[in-house]
Amino acid sequence: NAGVTQTPKFQVLKTGQSMTLQCAQDMNHNSMYWYRQDPGMGLRLIYYSASEGTTDKGEVPNGYNVSRLNKREFSLRLESAAPSQTSVYFCASSEQGLAGVCEQYFGPGTRLTVT
Amino acid sequence: AQTVTQSQPEMSVQEAETVTLSCTYDTSESNYYLFWYKQPPSRQMILVIRQEAYKQQNATENRFSVNFQKAAKSFSLKISDSQLGDTAMYFCAFSLGGPNSGGSNYKLTFGKGTLLTVNP
Repeated sequence: NAGVTQTPKFQVLKTGQSMTLQCAQDMNHNSMYWYRQDPGMGLRLIYYSASEGTTDKGEVPNGYNVSRLNKREFSLRLESAAPSQTSVYFCASSEQGLAGVCEQYFGPGTRLTVT
Repeated sequence: AQTVTQSQPEMSVQEAETVTLSCTYDTSESNYYLFWYKQPPSRQMILVIRQEAYKQQNATENRFSVNFQKAAKSFSLKISDSQLGDTAMYFCAFSLGGPNSGGSNYKLTFGKGTLLTVNP
């Protein structure tokens, strides 16, 4: 099993360009998440999808859109990139396990630079 | 809203010694989970240990153990016999939920992290 995969691993954009970050998981999890990580800020939730067909805003959704394409795939789109969106982006997935514990499994991250 | 605070931005420890990383959180809920994640230079987020709030017994995973003080809303991580491979950023995280809570969208709230360096 590959777990959670993300593409691309690195990307440089110019201000105003658009791009889509791809995420896929092969663990048959219902829930998927997008986080951004900035120095000194920890990880902050951008959007999440509790199950196929649903998406909800997290803590920092402005400037982003998401699509839950199917149970495996959850993409994050930047329509008009801004330098403030320079960050490392992580995708994660989770499923409620025994006793209700719900671990999140993370992808390797995408380092995005907007110039 | 829940908050997670890690008051130590950086720490260092000598190889083979013991170190404790601090974490406090704030919530009005009674059912929740707490986690410690490790992020080495490779950037991969790795789950180190988890604690269910309804359990009084502190979680232990090999050299990693926690001191969970529910009344004080404190959740510290102790690393025994520190190894060079423990050098990483460590994040404390909180999520709501518990047995029979239902649902599977347990969002994580992270602290800002503690950079741990293990020196030879």
